[in-house]
Amino acid sequence: AQSVTQLGSHVSVSEGALVLLRCNYSSSVPPYLFWYVQYPNQGLQLLLKYTSAATLVKGINGFEAEFKKSETSFHLTKPSAHMSDAAEYFCAVTRGGATNKLIFGTGTLLAVQP
Amino acid sequence: EAQVTQNPRYLITVTGKKLTVTCSQNMNHEYMSWYRQDPGLGLRQIYYSMNVEVTDKGDVPEGYKVSRKEKRNFPLILESPSPNQTSLYFCASSPEAEGAETQYFGPGTRLLVL
Repeated sequence: AQSVTQLGSHVSVSEGALVLLRCNYSSSVPPYLFWYVQYPNQGLQLLLKYTSAATLVKGINGFEAEFKKSETSFHLTKPSAHMSDAAEYFCAVTRGGATNKLIFGTGTLLAVQP
Repeated sequence: EAQVTQNPRYLITVTGKKLTVTCSQNMNHEYMSWYRQDPGLGLRQIYYSMNVEVTDKGDVPEGYKVSRKEKRNFPLILESPSPNQTSLYFCASSPEAEGAETQYFGPGTRLLVL
């Protein structure tokens, strides 16, 4: 069975600092991995996804994530935080084949301090 | 504009009073699903539908019903709501039921059951 663990339910960074949000997965088959962002009072928006084409995945708004099979990780990074990045971030996993169920982590709330 | 819409966005009801939350997508997607979001638990799948007239249970289906009579619509029915169904609900859709497909989320419906 697949699962996702997000370390740190709250992360606070200063504007301009590196953003690092951690995600570790567990899967018995090659996974597909996703990062979604949820801004206050809005739905979830896809930031990026890993589908085995390339281990370093670039997404929207300057975010990227690297799939590391040996570490079962898919951490999300951004070199320089903006105030507009304040939101909740969810890592999620699915498996291949005819299934599309997203297994979500518990989320990380990112605060950006001026 | 390609989108997933949900109605209502906010709903307060009382225990036992049947309610329906509608979900509609205009992207001709085959796959649709419902999730609920609770603090500290992330999002969990309630029901999903692979296509018209094909629905199945997700991880937390108790107390919910769904139907898929048309491709674009996937209503969520709570026949006898209880306080433990107070939550934030999201509808999502994707082109196919394939693990690598991106799911597109609606804006959410916040439900309070008194």
